[in-house]
Amino acid sequence: DGGITQSPKYLFRKEGQNVTLSCEQNLNHDAMYWYRQDPGQGLRLIYYSQIVNDFQKGDIAEGYSVSREKKESFPLTVTSAQKNPTAFYLCASRGQVEETQYFGPGTRLLVL
Amino acid sequence: QKEVEQNSGPLSVPEGAIASLNCTYSDRVSQSFFWYRQYSGKSPELIMSIYSNGDKEDGRFTAQLNKASQYVSLLIRDSQPSDSATYLCAVVYNFNKFYFGSGTKLNVKP
Repeated sequence: DGGITQSPKYLFRKEGQNVTLSCEQNLNHDAMYWYRQDPGQGLRLIYYSQIVNDFQKGDIAEGYSVSREKKESFPLTVTSAQKNPTAFYLCASRGQVEETQYFGPGTRLLVL
Repeated sequence: QKEVEQNSGPLSVPEGAIASLNCTYSDRVSQSFFWYRQYSGKSPELIMSIYSNGDKEDGRFTAQLNKASQYVSLLIRDSQPSDSATYLCAVVYNFNKFYFGSGTKLNVKP
C-alpha cells in the first residue's frame, strides 16, 4: 500500500518543549516538503528537500528544523523558538519527473 | 513573495449547476498550475494539473489557463453535494516551490 504517512495524528506540546513530527513515504519520491496550514488560510512552505542530506528553507522556517538522512523520511522538529505552533502540519512528496505533489494525512499540533 | 489570490467564498451553488472557481497569480514565469480539493480536517487531494494555455477536461472538471492574464480557473459541471469542500489553487515556480492560495469554500446545496 503506497503512500505518505504522518504521525502522530494529534500532538500536544507544552511550552518550551521541542516536538518532532514524522513523515514517511514509500513512493520512491526524491522531493519532500513540509507545510503549515492555519484556519482559513492556504499552505505555507516551511522546509523542502530535493535529495537526501540536503534541504532548503521555505517562507516560514524560523522555529523549525528538519533532517533528511533517508530518502523515505523527512521529520520536522518544532522547537521552543516557534512561539505560535498551533496549526495543521502537512507533509508532501513529489517524484523526479512529474511535478504533482501528494500529501500525507497531516498532524494537528496543539499547545497545552 | 509570490502571490496566489482566490476568493475565499463561500460560493454556494445548487445541485446540478456549474461551479466556477477562480485564481490569479503574480509571477509571469510560473510554469505549472494545480487544483486541490480539501475536505474539512483532511489533507489536500489533487484534482487537476494544467501547464499550457487553454482548457483541460477531466470528467466533470475543466481547468482553464490564461498565462497572459495570469489567471487559472476550475469549472465543476453537474455539481454534487459531495463536491462541497475548499478548493486550493497552487502555482509552481522553478519546478520546486509550490505557492498556494487561501482557498475557496464551495457549498453545493441539494
